[in-house]
Amino acid sequence: DTGVSQDPRHKITKRGQNVTFRCDPISEHNRLYWYRQTLGQGPEFLTYFQNEAQLEKSRLLSDRFSAERPKGSFSTLEIQRTEQGDSAMYLCASSLVRGSGNTEAFFGQGTRLTVV
Amino acid sequence: GEDVEQSLFLSVREGDSSVINCTYTDSSSTYLYWYKQEPGAGLQLLTYIFSNMDMKQDQRLTVLLNKKDKHLSLRIADTQTGDSAIYFCAESSLSGYSTLTFGKGTMLLVSP
Repeated sequence: DTGVSQDPRHKITKRGQNVTFRCDPISEHNRLYWYRQTLGQGPEFLTYFQNEAQLEKSRLLSDRFSAERPKGSFSTLEIQRTEQGDSAMYLCASSLVRGSGNTEAFFGQGTRLTVV
Repeated sequence: GEDVEQSLFLSVREGDSSVINCTYTDSSSTYLYWYKQEPGAGLQLLTYIFSNMDMKQDQRLTVLLNKKDKHLSLRIADTQTGDSAIYFCAESSLSGYSTLTFGKGTMLLVSP
């Protein structure tokens, strides 16, 4: 296992198209997070899963965004009817939560989305 | 809501020490983190500190936490050109301890 893997690394799409990104977390990790990072900003939290359950969603996650983690392993993030403002780096992270709490989240290299 | 502030840019010479500062507003922060991001890459966790600690040292990295002032710093000793990157401060709180709130990042430029 080499860490969190995201696919694709880059995506260019026309405005109005739908896009889907995939994240494969570190294999034993039960938590999976999605963040969005725009140019010159830090990452902003979008949503996270505990196993297959989506436990929290940011107000940044509009109705056009949907995330799934059907079997508690990989996750997909879909953006429908993309807008130019969706252009950003989409980062996935995973962590292992034990009874004592959660410490480290490991990040993937991200998917850079450009909407033209 | 939570807010994390950092200075945007720091320039040092190779071999000097670098100090990157961060302030946060959430008094319920439990963990505070430093991440490094190189151009076109994801985030690499450098170190973290639990809120009941005031200092943590890890090789060339020293983290200082002043919980009263909600101030966090990262000191890099003997800074190298390979340390040039953007450094993000982040916090997680009891209310959402699994999610991170990041600052905007400090760009560190190390010149030979």
